[in-house]
Amino acid sequence: SQQGEEDPQALSIQEGENATMNCSYKTSINNLQWYRQNSGRGLVHLILIRSNEREKHSGRLRVTLDTSKKSSSLLITASRAADTASYFCATDAGNNFNKFYFGSGTKLNVKP
Amino acid sequence: EAGVVQSPRYKIIEKKQPVAFWCNPISGHNTLYWYRQNLGQGPELLIRYENEEAVDDSQLPKDRFSAERLKGVDSTLKIQPAELGDSAVYLCASSPRWGEGGYTFGSGTRLTVV
Repeated sequence: SQQGEEDPQALSIQEGENATMNCSYKTSINNLQWYRQNSGRGLVHLILIRSNEREKHSGRLRVTLDTSKKSSSLLITASRAADTASYFCATDAGNNFNKFYFGSGTKLNVKP
Repeated sequence: EAGVVQSPRYKIIEKKQPVAFWCNPISGHNTLYWYRQNLGQGPELLIRYENEEAVDDSQLPKDRFSAERLKGVDSTLKIQPAELGDSAVYLCASSPRWGEGGYTFGSGTRLTVV
């Protein structure tokens, strides 16, 4: 399946530390997205990175994409307790811009 | 601007009963998705609409699930009859026209089948 797979499954850090989550996928893509999901809530779109981009920033978030390795990473700098959530990557099917597959997510716990 | 609105927020039903979920997408979003999310897993696509046309329903269990999007706006997802294994969160999402990515999700309906 094309589903992205996040690594690690769970991550626990202290407030102020950086958090890095990785996503690997199997086939070529057009776009890759990262989402955050707080417990009991819907997913919130964080960043979309296109296959011809290598890095994007949004506030304390930094996303990289390495298409040769079929992998992406999400870095959250200076983490806060409010960053505690599950983070998912979503990859498209390459030939279909509007169909995305989600991985199982990384559960991040930021301890105050 | 209101986000994607889903109702009900929670639903508990007995197995073999019918259930329906409703979704109102963001105004102007042509594409609407229904996803199912099991505990500890990522969302899995059930069906995707472009306007009122279901363009991808390959993962919708058609023996018991049905969906409609009348007039290309609101959508309803129905399960009849529900089974214990249908317990999950049902998420609706919408996005602008083809190729622009970035879904907006609703808060979901948590279904418990007992």
